[in-house]
Amino acid sequence: GQQLNQSPQSMFIQEGEDVSMNCTSSSIFNTWLWYKQDPGEGPVLLIALYKAGELTSNGRLTAQFGITRKDSFLNISASIPSDVGIYFCAGLFGGSQGNLIFGKGTKLSVKP
Amino acid sequence: KAGVTQTPRYLIKTRGQQVTLSCSPISGHRSVSWYQQTPGQGLQFLFEYFSETQRNKGNFPGRFSGRQFSNSRSEMNVSTLELGDSALYLCASSYTGPSSYNSPLHFGNGTRLTVT
Repeated sequence: GQQLNQSPQSMFIQEGEDVSMNCTSSSIFNTWLWYKQDPGEGPVLLIALYKAGELTSNGRLTAQFGITRKDSFLNISASIPSDVGIYFCAGLFGGSQGNLIFGKGTKLSVKP
Repeated sequence: KAGVTQTPRYLIKTRGQQVTLSCSPISGHRSVSWYQQTPGQGLQFLFEYFSETQRNKGNFPGRFSGRQFSNSRSEMNVSTLELGDSALYLCASSYTGPSSYNSPLHFGNGTRLTVT
C-alpha cells in the first residue's frame, strides 16, 4: 500500500536556527498537508498544498508540493521555543477521504 | 468559530467493555473522520461520515463502528474492548471531505482511551 516516509524522525536544534523536514513516497499525491501536534492536543493544520510545484508560506513556515507530486517539504525559519512539537505530513491520493495518509512525524526540540 | 469538540477527554475501561466517543464538528462542516493514534502505528484512518452516511472505512475490525447525526455530530463505538485499543482517538471535520479543494481536515483534541 501507499506509504509516506517522513524524515528526520527527530531534531534537536538551537533557538534561531532554520529547520527543514520532508516527506517522500513512491506514490503520486493530489494534496499535501502539514500539521503540528502539541502534547495532549490534536494536530493543527499549518499549510495545505493543492498543486504540484506550489510554494506556500505561513509566517515563518514555508512548504512546497514537489513537482513530481511524490514529495513535500516544510521549512521553519528562525526557530523559537514554541515551535517544539511533532510535525506531520499528510498526503491525499485518489478521490476519497480514506486515502489521506499520514507520515510518522518529526519531533522537534528547540534549545533556548 | 468553535473548533472540533470531542468528549470525553479521558476514558478508562476494562477489557470486554464497550465505549462510545462523541465528536461535534466545526459549524458548517459536513464531513467527519475518525483516526486512531498510537506511538507505534501513528495516525490510522478509521472511517469517514458525510451526510449521515459512512463514505469510507479503514482497515479496522467490525468492533469499531460509528454514526453521524443530521446535525453532523458523530459518535464512534468500540465493542468488546481489547488492551490494544488503548490509544488517542481523534475526530476531524472538513467542509466536504479533504479530497475537495480547500477542504482540509481540522482535528479535535482527542479522547485518550485506556483499556486495562
